[in-house]
Amino acid sequence: GEDVEQSLFLSVREGDSSVINCTYTDSSSTYLYWYKQEPGAGLQLLTYIFSNMDMKQDQRLTVLLNKKDKHLSLRIADTQTGDSAIYFCAEKPGEYGNKLVFGAGTILRVKS
Amino acid sequence: DTGVSQDPRHKITKRGQNVTFRCDPISEHNRLYWYRQTLGQGPEFLTYFQNEAQLEKSRLLSDRFSAERPKGSFSTLEIQRTEQGDSAMYLCASSPGRGTYEQYFGPGTRLTVT
Repeated sequence: GEDVEQSLFLSVREGDSSVINCTYTDSSSTYLYWYKQEPGAGLQLLTYIFSNMDMKQDQRLTVLLNKKDKHLSLRIADTQTGDSAIYFCAEKPGEYGNKLVFGAGTILRVKS
Repeated sequence: DTGVSQDPRHKITKRGQNVTFRCDPISEHNRLYWYRQTLGQGPEFLTYFQNEAQLEKSRLLSDRFSAERPKGSFSTLEIQRTEQGDSAMYLCASSPGRGTYEQYFGPGTRLTVT
């Protein structure tokens, strides 16, 4: 089946690193994504990783994938107040079809 | 590249009325998706188009919902006989296709059914 789980809330101090975690159930997932959503707005694609990779870095963002444990994480270095938002993990299941399956989101609060 | 646009941004309607939303994808993106998002949840897939063909529909898409993409460019999502449970954010996304799988989302249409 397809299910994506995330922790509900994370609070960090400005300048610290944030790590947001996600687990998924579909072992045939091909792509995994991180999106950011600010209040009242749509989703902004932050980064994505193909399932045959175990790490991807893009400026302050580092994605780690443990395919054996079906665990995905997003690390934000030097977290800023502007990073406060809801972060969604999503998978593209390996079955035929193109939908994304999203988690319920992690609220990141950055304290100055 | 102006991004995915959606219209209207907000819609308030009375129960039983019909509503229609429009999505304009990023230029030359041949894949278009509709999702629904309720408070405190992630987006849930509704339907997917490749060019003008509707290739996938979720079980969430009841008979009251219909989506079209007549010329393979913009798309419309219509909800007939709206119910209070239809209140949600309706999100549209597009993707270039051709071996790439990023989906870029629009700002959404927030529907409130009173």
